[in-house]
Amino acid sequence: QITLKESGPALVKPTQTLTLTCTFSGFSLNTSGVGVGWIRQPPGKALEWLALIYWDDDKRYSPSLKSRLTVTKDTSKNQVVLTMTNMDPVDTATYHCAYNPPTGYNYDYWGQGTLVTVSS
Amino acid sequence: SFVLTQTPSVSVVPGQTATITCGGNDIGSHSVHWYQQKPGQAPILVVYDDTDRPSGIPERFSGSNYGNTATLTISGVEAGDEADYFCHVWDNGSDQGVFGGGTKVTVL
Repeated sequence: QITLKESGPALVKPTQTLTLTCTFSGFSLNTSGVGVGWIRQPPGKALEWLALIYWDDDKRYSPSLKSRLTVTKDTSKNQVVLTMTNMDPVDTATYHCAYNPPTGYNYDYWGQGTLVTVSS
Repeated sequence: SFVLTQTPSVSVVPGQTATITCGGNDIGSHSVHWYQQKPGQAPILVVYDDTDRPSGIPERFSGSNYGNTATLTISGVEAGDEADYFCHVWDNGSDQGVFGGGTKVTVL
């Protein structure tokens, strides 16, 4: 059974750096083709794709946010970490991580998400 | 970058068919995935690669994709189908994932 869970601060101040951790089970990021993606959703708004990291450490980022995002993995801990710099109130959102199977770009399983509020 | 356009809302009577569209330039050349999201919950994949259903998803959910429009069809709509639905593709041109704006399905 595949599960993912996001963790991190619920509140950050403007200009601070956000660090979120996705802890997963039921699959390995050592498996060929597997990936973990990050998606966010501002309150009442649509999903926004942020980043994707693959088993071989290949990474993809949203072009509009690429300068602010870093995604890394720790396969020994079954964790993926997303870092976003220079946080702004418009970055207030629920941040989800999700499992990307080897067969395509769909997200088969999602974490429940963690709400991050950016406010001074 | 690639833009996916969804009708903001659709209303349907129980037992009838809900049709949710996702428009994009030559979206037919992309693999489209659909997610259902109920309030306060994480999205659930209901259709992937245009037409395939994950295990556990009822046959009432079906998808198609041709030309500039992908479609998610919910046949015999039930009250429990009331949710937001998002389409999703991988855009090779910009090398990123893209989501549509979402469609709220209301069961009358």
